Amino acid sequence: GNSVTQMEGPVTLSEEAFLTINCTYTATGYPSLFWYVQYPGEGLQLLLKATKADDKGSNKGFEATYRKETTSFHLEKGSVQVSDSAVYFCALTPHRSNDYKLSFGAGTTVTVRA
Amino acid sequence: DAGITQSPRYKITETGRQVTLMCHQTWSHSYMFWYRQDLGHGLRLIYYSAAADITDKGEVPDGYVVSRSKTENFPLTLESATRSQTSVYFCASREQNSYEQYFGPGTRLTVT
Repeated sequence: GNSVTQMEGPVTLSEEAFLTINCTYTATGYPSLFWYVQYPGEGLQLLLKATKADDKGSNKGFEATYRKETTSFHLEKGSVQVSDSAVYFCALTPHRSNDYKLSFGAGTTVTVRA
Repeated sequence: DAGITQSPRYKITETGRQVTLMCHQTWSHSYMFWYRQDLGHGLRLIYYSAAADITDKGEVPDGYVVSRSKTENFPLTLESATRSQTSVYFCASREQNSYEQYFGPGTRLTVT
């Protein structure tokens, strides 16, 4: 089956620090990979995506590269801000026409202190 | 407003009552999904729909009923609410030829 494993945290950082959240996956074939972000009291927002090996997704200063050889999709940001405090979810969906489901990691809570 | 909306945003109900959570999307996306989010369990898929009048079970469908008579609406009904159904419920939608899902703001349901 499909599964996603990510570091659960919580992660606490100071402003302008470097952030890495590890994500590895197990899937049949080569899925699409996503990072979603959930700010307090809100729904999940798509942060970035990658649909094939070596693709790099980027948005709002965050980046993640689809690594087929290590089945990983680690999220990075070079200089975090207080406004980046949120829960981050790694997720995948297979490229099969009869399988529409997103498989999520457990989520990583990130707190950025001024 | 464009996008995906859910109502109500907050609901308190009693054990045994029926409650319906509404989900509406304006994109005409083919696929729609219901998830619940619980501490320690992350997000779990309850039901999904590939098109109007086509629905299927997800990981945790027991105690829930869905329908999809129109493409834009996907209501979730708890036929007889239990305390274990206290959760935050998210609706999501997806285009036919895309893989990413877009989420609504959620409904926080408390069953007393």
